[in-house]
Amino acid sequence: EDQVTQSPEALRLQEGESSSLNCSYTVSGLRGLFWYRQDPGKGPEFLFTLYSAGEEKEKERLKATLTKKESFLHITAPKPEDSATYLCAVPVIQGAQKLVFGQGTRLTINP
Amino acid sequence: DAGVIQSPRHEVTEMGQEVTLRCKPISGHDYLFWYRQTMMRGLELLIYFNNNVPIDDSGMPEDRFSAKMPNASFSTLKIQPSEPRDSAVYFCASSLELYTEAFFGQGTRLTVV
Repeated sequence: EDQVTQSPEALRLQEGESSSLNCSYTVSGLRGLFWYRQDPGKGPEFLFTLYSAGEEKEKERLKATLTKKESFLHITAPKPEDSATYLCAVPVIQGAQKLVFGQGTRLTINP
Repeated sequence: DAGVIQSPRHEVTEMGQEVTLRCKPISGHDYLFWYRQTMMRGLELLIYFNNNVPIDDSGMPEDRFSAKMPNASFSTLKIQPSEPRDSAVYFCASSLELYTEAFFGQGTRLTVV
């Protein structure tokens, strides 16, 4: 069965302390992997799409990487405004084609 | 474009009442999605439309849930009758293609008491 698993569930860092979030997936025939950011009380906001193993995308302090089994979202020298829940999503075929989201990692950056 | 617009932002209703959630997608987007988010189950796809036609409604939990898209600029998600376990945040999203970035609305927080 196609699955998307994110870890850790929650992560608390000090400002400037770099770390990585993980998204592992088991799908046949990857059609892309999406990263979203969600702030409290808001809808998810698109960050990156990765399509093939080895691909990397960067945006400010965030860098997303992709292997054949997982994706990492690296956060370098984070700031308090990077606090949010980060979601990854993968297209799967369950009957029809659809986008399945992981449970998310709740990131807190303390000043 | 103002983005995906959902209404209402908050809805509190009594068990057994009918609830209608509304969504205006981004103009030109061919795909519209309805998601439900809860602490326990995360973000779940309920149904999605392509060019106003429902493609996959396998995520709709029960016959109490129904969704329509009468035209390219409007969709509704209806729950009748509502139950306390339907309490969640419901998101609408739209995208140009199926596997491109989706833009989400602000969500409707539904509370059924």
